[in-house]
Amino acid sequence: AQTVTQSQPEMSVQEAETVTLSCTYDTSENNYYLFWYKQPPSRQMILVIRQEAYKQQNATENRFSVNFQKAAKSFSLKISDSQLGDTAMYFCALRAGANNLFFGTGTRLTVIP
Amino acid sequence: DGGITQSPKYLFRKEGQNVTLSCEQNLNHDAMYWYRQDPGQGLRLIYYSQIVNDFQKGDIAEGYSVSREKKESFPLTVTSAQKNPTAFYLCASSINLGARYNEQFFGPGTRLTVL
Repeated sequence: AQTVTQSQPEMSVQEAETVTLSCTYDTSENNYYLFWYKQPPSRQMILVIRQEAYKQQNATENRFSVNFQKAAKSFSLKISDSQLGDTAMYFCALRAGANNLFFGTGTRLTVIP
Repeated sequence: DGGITQSPKYLFRKEGQNVTLSCEQNLNHDAMYWYRQDPGQGLRLIYYSQIVNDFQKGDIAEGYSVSREKKESFPLTVTSAQKNPTAFYLCASSINLGARYNEQFFGPGTRLTVL
């Protein structure tokens, strides 16, 4: 069975500051993929960043980066230089083996001007 | 422009009525998915389809039905058997299960309210 846990229901950050969103997961598969999705107030789900379990190097996409700790089964998202447009729900998701995507319950992030 | 469209954006239904939500994609993706989103919960998988004329139940398929007659289209019917249908429904597509990441791309969603 797969599980994805996001233990921070809500977070806030000052504009231009850095914030880290936590995600832990569990799977018995050796090959799996991890994703962070953003859902702004428009409710459109947008892929932010992705990571393959076999890759040791942490993925980065502009201001977004991850800290992938495979042994600890942790996949946190760091947002640098936070912008007002980063205000959204953020979902961590796991795809293991041939299984479908499994989502955490989300973290609501508010960027404060 | 390539993408996924869902219609309508808002849908109201009386109790006891069936209603169909539309999902179309022009990304040439093999796989398509339907999710339900409720407040305080993540997305839950209703049905998915890996290829035309084939589909499988997800985690919460009871009270829903789908069809996949064309590659581009994956409509979802919410039947009167669904006990609590008021929710936000998201459609997604991906290249296919054999692809490396096979990340899913989402439509804008449909908000269904039962009156």
